[in-house]
Amino acid sequence: EPEVTQTPSHQVTQMGQEVILRCVPISNHLYFYWYRQILGQKVEFLVSFYNNEISEKSEIFDDQFSVERPDGSNFTLKIRSTKLEDSAMYFCASSESPRMNTEAFFGQGTRLTVV
Amino acid sequence: GNSVTQMEGPVTLSEEAFLTINCTYTATGYPSLFWYVQYPGEGLQLLLKATKADDKGSNKGFEATYRKETTSFHLEKGSVQVSDSAVYFCALVERGANNLFFGTGTRLTVIP
Repeated sequence: EPEVTQTPSHQVTQMGQEVILRCVPISNHLYFYWYRQILGQKVEFLVSFYNNEISEKSEIFDDQFSVERPDGSNFTLKIRSTKLEDSAMYFCASSESPRMNTEAFFGQGTRLTVV
Repeated sequence: GNSVTQMEGPVTLSEEAFLTINCTYTATGYPSLFWYVQYPGEGLQLLLKATKADDKGSNKGFEATYRKETTSFHLEKGSVQVSDSAVYFCALVERGANNLFFGTGTRLTVIP
C-alpha cells in the first residue's frame, strides 16, 4: 500500500541551527501539507502546497519556515533558526485532491527536539 | 473559529470492553468530521469520516455519528481488541477548505 515516508524519525538540534525535515509523498498526489503537534497539544496546520507554491499557511508558519519540492519526489520543511518552542512532532501529508474531506495520507512524523 | 475538543486520555480498557471516546466541535460552517488513528511507529491513518449531519462513519468495528444538534462525533466500538491500542484523533475540515483542525488525541491501551 502506498505511504508517505518522513525522515529522520527523530532530530535533535541546537537552538539557532537550521533543520530540514524531509517527506516523500505518495507518488500520484499533488497536494502536500505540513502539520505539527507540540507535546500535549493539538495537531496544528502549518502549510499546504500545490503546483510548486504555497496555497495556504497558518499564523504559525512565519518567516523562519519555508517549504520546497526540490525534485519530483521530495517535499521539505526548513526551519531557518530553530527555537526551543519549535520542539514538536512534525507530520507531512499528501492528498489527490485539495479538499481535505477526501482522504489525506500522513507520514509517521519527525520528532524535532531543540536544545 | 474552528476547534475540536476530545476526551483526555489515556484510556485503558480490558479486551472486549466497550469503548467511547468523546469529541465535540465548534465550526463556523458545515464541516466534515473525521477520526484518525495512529498506531505505534506509524503515520496518522483515516479511520472513518462523516460529511453531513446524521451520517454515520464506520470502519473496523468503530462507529461515529455526526450529531449537529450536540456538535458531537463520539467514537464507539462494542468490543475492543489489543490491536486497537493506538492514539485516536478527532478532526474537522470546513467545507471547501483544505486544512484539518485536530483535537489533542486520546491514547487507548487495551490489555488482555
